[in-house]
Amino acid sequence: QSALTQPASVSGSPGQSITISCTGTSSDLGGYEYFSWYQQSPAKAPKLIIYEVTNRPSGISNRFSGSKSGNTASLTISGLQAEDEADYYCSSYTSRSTVIFGGGTKLTVL
Amino acid sequence: EVQLVESGGGLVQPGGSLRLSCAASGFTFSSYWMTWVRQAPGKGLEWVANINQDGSQRYYVGSLKGRFTISRDNPVNSLYLRMNSLRAEDTAVYFCARVFWTGYPNFDYWGQGSLVTVSS
Repeated sequence: QSALTQPASVSGSPGQSITISCTGTSSDLGGYEYFSWYQQSPAKAPKLIIYEVTNRPSGISNRFSGSKSGNTASLTISGLQAEDEADYYCSSYTSRSTVIFGGGTKLTVL
Repeated sequence: EVQLVESGGGLVQPGGSLRLSCAASGFTFSSYWMTWVRQAPGKGLEWVANINQDGSQRYYVGSLKGRFTISRDNPVNSLYLRMNSLRAEDTAVYFCARVFWTGYPNFDYWGQGSLVTVSS
């Protein structure tokens, strides 16, 4: 199964907003409302930041928001901060009861 | 506090075997699905396998099925990944994570990872 497609990199200045897209096929992302986003800072374990389209786990800033349209999911980070610089991964649950990750997007805060 | 601590990684020759362990604490281990995710050096995340609470349901990424086996021992709060016929492309940091199930699996707590290097 192919990974979900994400841009390799995005960048933004402090205070700005950025959006990361995640495109899948109808058998994974398009067929479900079930996807998540993870943040991975350098040399750290990933952290769940969005689940079920728009939900944030406890402790995650409301500057992070998610959405989905058709077979494309999006993560928006508003009010960019230096600490947001990290790799971001989308993931989805497939029709074969397996989990698939996107290739990852490196966010650079300029 | 939820803690997940992986162990058992190291250097192994191609064709060899290794068993990773993940010691869980701070939550009722037997009530949660668990998962393994790996990350090759400089690469993205790759989901490996899930296991349900009593070990009766196991799911694997298609490319690894048959070589890797996920298992658990609830009385000792431990998750395992048995890896056979290892190849250079299996070189990665292996993370265990707790599954937060909302109708589909999300991974809400992660260990720090265990590095497996497959090389002669």
